[in-house]
Amino acid sequence: AQSVAQPEDQVNVAEGNPLTVKCTYSVSGNPYLFWYVQYPNRGLQFLLKYITGDNLVKGSYGFEAEFNKSQTSFHLKKPSALVSDSALYFCAVREGNFNKFYFGSGTKLNVKP
Amino acid sequence: EAGVAQSPRYKIIEKRQSVAFWCNPISGHATLYWYQQILGQGPKLLIQFQNNGVVDDSQLPKDRFSAERLKGVDSTLKIQPAKLEDSAVYLCASSFPGGANQQYFGPGTRLTVT
Repeated sequence: AQSVAQPEDQVNVAEGNPLTVKCTYSVSGNPYLFWYVQYPNRGLQFLLKYITGDNLVKGSYGFEAEFNKSQTSFHLKKPSALVSDSALYFCAVREGNFNKFYFGSGTKLNVKP
Repeated sequence: EAGVAQSPRYKIIEKRQSVAFWCNPISGHATLYWYQQILGQGPKLLIQFQNNGVVDDSQLPKDRFSAERLKGVDSTLKIQPAKLEDSAVYLCASSFPGGANQQYFGPGTRLTVT
């Protein structure tokens, strides 16, 4: 069965410090992996995705994510956090072209000034 | 480029009443999704359309929920009768077909069932 796990409900980081939001997945085949961000009272916004190729994927707002097949992980990273990055972050996985998306439970990122 | 439109943004109803949500996807997006997001959880797919056909409705509670996309463009999701546990945000998303394409989400409809 497909699944995705975000082991941390909340991540706290000081502005200017690097941040990591963790995601692990379980699929039987090759995954398509996505990160979305959700601001209060807003829909989800796409940040980045891994389909194939280079394991380090760069996305919007300075975010990047590293695909690690052996560890079945796709952690979201940013070298220097901003207060405006504070939001809810969701990892999602999809196997192949016709299967549904599975979303993680979300990680709340708090960036303090 | 116009985004995914949803209405209403908020709805409060009593249990056993019915409610309908509307979604207009991004122009050209053949695939449309309805998700239920309960507070503190990730979105859960209710139904996925490809044009006007249903691709996946395995998690749709069919005894009370229904959805249609008659002309392959906009879509409606209906709940009849509503239960307290249906209180959630209902998100609509659209995408080009194919698993590698990201979804674009609307702002959602926050439903409160009292």
